[in-house]
Amino acid sequence: NAGVTQTPKFRILKIGQSMTLQCAQDMNHNYMYWYRQDPGMGLKLIYYSVGAGITDKGEVPNGYNVSRSTTEDFPLRLELAAPSQTSVYFCASSYRTDSGNTIYFGEGSWLTVV
Amino acid sequence: AQTVTQSQPEMSVQEAETVTLSCTYDTSESDYYLFWYKQPPSRQMILVIRQEAYKQQNATENRFSVNFQKAAKSFSLKISDSQLGDAAMYFCAYRSSNFGNEKLTFGTGTRLTIIP
Repeated sequence: NAGVTQTPKFRILKIGQSMTLQCAQDMNHNYMYWYRQDPGMGLKLIYYSVGAGITDKGEVPNGYNVSRSTTEDFPLRLELAAPSQTSVYFCASSYRTDSGNTIYFGEGSWLTVV
Repeated sequence: AQTVTQSQPEMSVQEAETVTLSCTYDTSESDYYLFWYKQPPSRQMILVIRQEAYKQQNATENRFSVNFQKAAKSFSLKISDSQLGDAAMYFCAYRSSNFGNEKLTFGTGTRLTIIP
């Protein structure tokens, strides 16, 4: 199984540019998440989605936008990139069940804004 | 809002010895889930172990076990017979069971070094 797939894996952006980080999962999970991890830090939630057509802000949503038009895809859009957005971005997904299923992570996308 | 605290930024252990990583959390909820994730240099997040708050029995996965103290809001990870491959960042995480709020909240991590 492919699991959670993120593209691109590495990207360098100039200040003010925009880009979209792609995330796709093939496990039919209804929940999807975007996290960022700054050097030496834990993961902070940017946005999450509990199903197609539904998104909500996490801890650090400023400067980002998301959409969830299908169950499989959850792209993260960076508008007007800033150096503070240099980070590693993780997409994740899970089922929503009463047993609190495990959250599966993608391999990460390294973004540098210069 | 829930918070997760890992008070040990770095830990080291001799190969084949046992080490315990600490985690405390703050929540007003009674039903939730706790996780330990391992992040090697590749940065991939790998699930190590999970614990349901409603279960009194501590979770165990091979050499990894937890000490879950619900009243104290403590969730420590014990690694027995430490191996060189255990070297990584370890993150404790909390997940609510409330519908629509099932997002993971992470601690800041503990870097574990294994001494040969």
